[in-house]
Amino acid sequence: QVQLVESGGGVVQPGRSLRLSCADSGFTFSSYAMHWVRQAPGEGLVWVAVISYDGSREFYADSVKGRFTISRDNSMKTLYLQMNSLRAEDTAVYYCAREVVIAAFDYWGQGTLVTVSS
Amino acid sequence: QSALTQPASVSGSPGQSITISCTGSSSDVGDHNYVSWYQHHPNKAPKLMIYDVTKRPSGVSNRFSGSKSGNTASLTISGLQAEDEADYYCSSYAGSSNYVFGTGTKVTVL
Repeated sequence: QVQLVESGGGVVQPGRSLRLSCADSGFTFSSYAMHWVRQAPGEGLVWVAVISYDGSREFYADSVKGRFTISRDNSMKTLYLQMNSLRAEDTAVYYCAREVVIAAFDYWGQGTLVTVSS
Repeated sequence: QSALTQPASVSGSPGQSITISCTGSSSDVGDHNYVSWYQHHPNKAPKLMIYDVTKRPSGVSNRFSGSKSGNTASLTISGLQAEDEADYYCSSYAGSSNYVFGTGTKVTVL
């Protein structure tokens, strides 16, 4: 059974960095594009970033471009999100998700909470 | 990229049908047949209910159906059940490897 498990969330001060991880079990991780999606408290889902199946291409939402970096290690079956220059508005639950076909995310992690606060 | 517009809430009695709209633009919903819908219970992982506008993943009840007209996509839940009470989000491909979600709709079963 496919399972995605996020980790790395926590409380961090504005301007600092944090790296999230998403570990896969149960499917051919290297065959799929992977995404990060976030949900701020009381708000809706917002797309953050995508990385191609082989890690050769990555794209970002304007709100995080230049501050966040998505990457993956297919040998470790792990997806990452390096978050730099964090802001209060980055406070959210961060989900990783598998893109099974274009713009359809069939497996999601349970989410990891990132709180940016002084 | 602006969020797709959904009604904040929709409600219905058990057994009834409800429809949730998802309005975008000619750059996303109107330009691509890559609209998906997700059911999200609090503190749980979102669940894919519809993809490619009308397709249902294996295991999803046929009470859920999707459609699209112009810049607006819709999710219909027929034979509403208590377990359908959740937040629902639409999502669309927006071109150039960009993706956009809807504002979300809270479904209440009366």
